[in-house]
Amino acid sequence: KQEVTQIPAALSVPEGENLVLNCSFTDSAIYNLQWFRQDPGKGLTSLLLIQSSQREQTSGRLNASLDKSSGRSTLYIAASQPGDSATYLCAAHFGNEKLTFGTGTRLTIIP
Amino acid sequence: EADIYQTPRYLVIGTGKKITLECSQTMGHDKMYWYQQDPGMELHLIHYSYGVNSTEKGDLSSESTVSRIRTEHFPLTLESARPSHTSQYLCAVRTSQGNTFGSGTRLTVV
Repeated sequence: KQEVTQIPAALSVPEGENLVLNCSFTDSAIYNLQWFRQDPGKGLTSLLLIQSSQREQTSGRLNASLDKSSGRSTLYIAASQPGDSATYLCAAHFGNEKLTFGTGTRLTIIP
Repeated sequence: EADIYQTPRYLVIGTGKKITLECSQTMGHDKMYWYQQDPGMELHLIHYSYGVNSTEKGDLSSESTVSRIRTEHFPLTLESARPSHTSQYLCAVRTSQGNTFGSGTRLTVV
């Protein structure tokens, strides 16, 4: 079964620190992987998309990496800010047309 | 990129009522999806469509139904709402930049 896992479920970090969120997946035949942000009670905002042929993508303070051989992706957030507090979800396309989501990491940036 | 719109944003409705949640997009993308998310829980795919007249059930069994008569619209219908249908419903489209989601409809059935 194709699964996506995110650990830890929750993370608290002081403002200004750099941090890494982890995502693992069970099938190396991944088509692409997408990171989302979700604020409480809201929809999902796409942050970064990494194709299977890519190793990383960057957008501002965010950098996402993809290692198919180890089944891992990371989302690096530099110089964290209180506005970064949200739930971060990773989701993978495993060659079919459906996204498989992880359960998310709830991030709290402490001012 | 795609603009995707969901209405209503919030809905409180009585048990037994028929409801339709609207989802529309402006860019003519073929692939659209409905997800259900309970508070604090993961997203589950309940329906998807690859284009006009194409609808499929997702991974999570749902009593809702969908239709895709036009490319732009992918409405979700509950014929008889029940409290167990209380949840957030998120619509998405597949683009070259990945999946883009609408703001969601938070449904409460009382």
